[in-house]
Amino acid sequence: GENVEQHPSTLSVQEGDSAVIKCTYSDSASNYFPWYKQELGKRPQLIIDIRSNVGEKKDQRIAVTLNKTAKHFSLHITETQPEDSAVYFCAASNMYSGGGADGLTFGKGTHLIIQP
Amino acid sequence: DSGVTQTPKHLITATGQRVTLRCSPRSGDLSVYWYQQSLDQGLQFLIQYYNGEERAKGNILERFSAQQFPDLHSELNLSSLELGDSALYFCASSVDANYGYTFGSGTRLTVV
Repeated sequence: GENVEQHPSTLSVQEGDSAVIKCTYSDSASNYFPWYKQELGKRPQLIIDIRSNVGEKKDQRIAVTLNKTAKHFSLHITETQPEDSAVYFCAASNMYSGGGADGLTFGKGTHLIIQP
Repeated sequence: DSGVTQTPKHLITATGQRVTLRCSPRSGDLSVYWYQQSLDQGLQFLIQYYNGEERAKGNILERFSAQQFPDLHSELNLSSLELGDSALYFCASSVDANYGYTFGSGTRLTVV
């Protein structure tokens, strides 16, 4: 089955600086890579996702890059703000036609701390 | 409110007991996924249903079972509960597998 490794487990950055979280996956059949943000005691929320036919996707201060050959993908947050503090999870899945999919396999999470 | 409704929000029960967790997906979503989140294991995929049929199974114990009903709501049944089953159980839904998942607020299960 799929295995997703995520690094670092904790990341502390100064407000206004950039943050980068990296993930690797093992199953070459995986074709869908979402990122979730989870604040303490709350549900994971999808912040951005990328499919294997795209190398990069950007949404305001958040961007995700994918390298299929190396089987890794990264989350980039620029101009970090205090409200960016949370746990971020990467995930991978094989989505196929007909509505089925393997369930998302999540990384262990990165606790992002934005220092004022 | 994400549109995915989970009940109850909190559940405290004794070892050896059986509980049922309920999930109502967002309107129009056909896929329902169950996840277990514990401190040491992170988010673990348990099982997926699509339009009433089981589609994928993850790390779900034999003591656990689930089903999706004709109205698309789903129930996760946990039996012979052990202390280690204490965790947050999330349900997520999507229109189909080609769209991102939306998580419910979770059910916090405490086994004492």
